[in-house]
Amino acid sequence: GENVEQHPSTLSVQEGDSAVIKCTYSDSASNYFPWYKQELGKGPQLIIDIRSNVGEKKDQRIAVTLNKTAKHFSLHITETQPEDSAVYFCAAGVSGGYQKVTFGTGTKLQVIP
Amino acid sequence: KAGVTQTPRYLIKTRGQQVTLSCSPISGHRSVSWYQQTPGQGLQFLFEYFSETQRNKGNFPGRFSGRQFSNSRSEMNVSTLELGDSALYLCASSGTGVYNEQFFGPGTRLTVL
Repeated sequence: GENVEQHPSTLSVQEGDSAVIKCTYSDSASNYFPWYKQELGKGPQLIIDIRSNVGEKKDQRIAVTLNKTAKHFSLHITETQPEDSAVYFCAAGVSGGYQKVTFGTGTKLQVIP
Repeated sequence: KAGVTQTPRYLIKTRGQQVTLSCSPISGHRSVSWYQQTPGQGLQFLFEYFSETQRNKGNFPGRFSGRQFSNSRSEMNVSTLELGDSALYLCASSGTGVYNEQFFGPGTRLTVL
């Protein structure tokens, strides 16, 4: 089955700096790579996703890159703000008729004001 | 549009007991997935239901079971509870597109004493 590794497990940045979280996956059949943000006491919330026919996607301060050859994808947050502090999860899976994404172990991001 | 709701939010049980958790998906969503979240193992996929049928299953023992009703509401049951079952149980619903965004509920925090 799919195996997703995520690094780092914790990340502290100064407000205004950039944060980068990296993930690798094992199953070459995976073609859907969502990223989730989980705040304390809440369920994960999708913040951005990328599909295998795209190498990069950007949404305001958030961007994701995908390298299918190397089987890794990354989340980039620019101009970080205190409200970006949360746990971020990457995931990999196969799109289509059923839902089964495999999650990374999470990165706790702390943005220091 | 109302989000995914889960009841109860908190539950305390003792070893050997059984427990039933409930999930109401977003209106119109027919797929419901369940995940177990623990600090050590991260988010682990339990199973997915679609139109009252289990469509996919993770690697959990048979003590974990679920079902889905005709209105798409889903329940998850854990029998003969063990201390290791203490976790946050998350439910996610999704629509029927090719790339299906999953919307998570706030979770049920289960503590087994």
